[in-house]
Amino acid sequence: GAGVSQSPSNKVTEKGKDVELRCDPISGHTALYWYRQSLGQGLEFLIYFQGNSAPDKSGLPSDRFSAERTGGSVSTLTIQRTQQEDSAVYLCASSLGRASSYEQYFGPGTRLTVT
Amino acid sequence: GQNIDQPTEMTATEGAIVQINCTYQTSGFNGLFWYQQHAGEAPTFLSYNVLDGLEEKGRFSSFLSRSKGYSYLLLKELQMKDSASYLCAVRIQGGKLIFGQGTELSVKP
Repeated sequence: GAGVSQSPSNKVTEKGKDVELRCDPISGHTALYWYRQSLGQGLEFLIYFQGNSAPDKSGLPSDRFSAERTGGSVSTLTIQRTQQEDSAVYLCASSLGRASSYEQYFGPGTRLTVT
Repeated sequence: GQNIDQPTEMTATEGAIVQINCTYQTSGFNGLFWYQQHAGEAPTFLSYNVLDGLEEKGRFSSFLSRSKGYSYLLLKELQMKDSASYLCAVRIQGGKLIFGQGTELSVKP
């Protein structure tokens, strides 16, 4: 079956512009995660959606970052007034649910470059 | 705070065995994951431990000691394609994963 998909695969934007990154999780997966990975670094947790519960936004680095998940499926991560330090690969992952054993399946990522 | 430590890089020889260690100090523990990430690609799941002991899966094994906050990933019969970054991650209360910085493994012929 289809895996997690993300779009666009690459995005180059000018400093100060807003960007939207999209994630389509695996069908039936109720949990969705966003991570950021800077060059040579580990994954930095950003936000986590689980079903209809309020999202865990504890990893969002500033109020310029926001995310929503419509209809329990597709998610959009929005970065307003982009800064050069926002340049990174943004990875989305989904899993079957909250149970601790459920592995996360990652999408291919969106490489964001802020010039 | 959350802290997960793993070596930055390791080198090993094709056909050999390598052990990648991970230590963690986190607020809560609901399991430990290992992921493999090839350059430019998304991480892929390797193993999951929630109870103490060894989990074996083909050439890969993972060990957990919760009392010591310690895990290792053991790779046997190394192949060139095993050259990748190996990420240790702990699931904490609420479901999110906290990742270590990753260990870059280079397999030499």
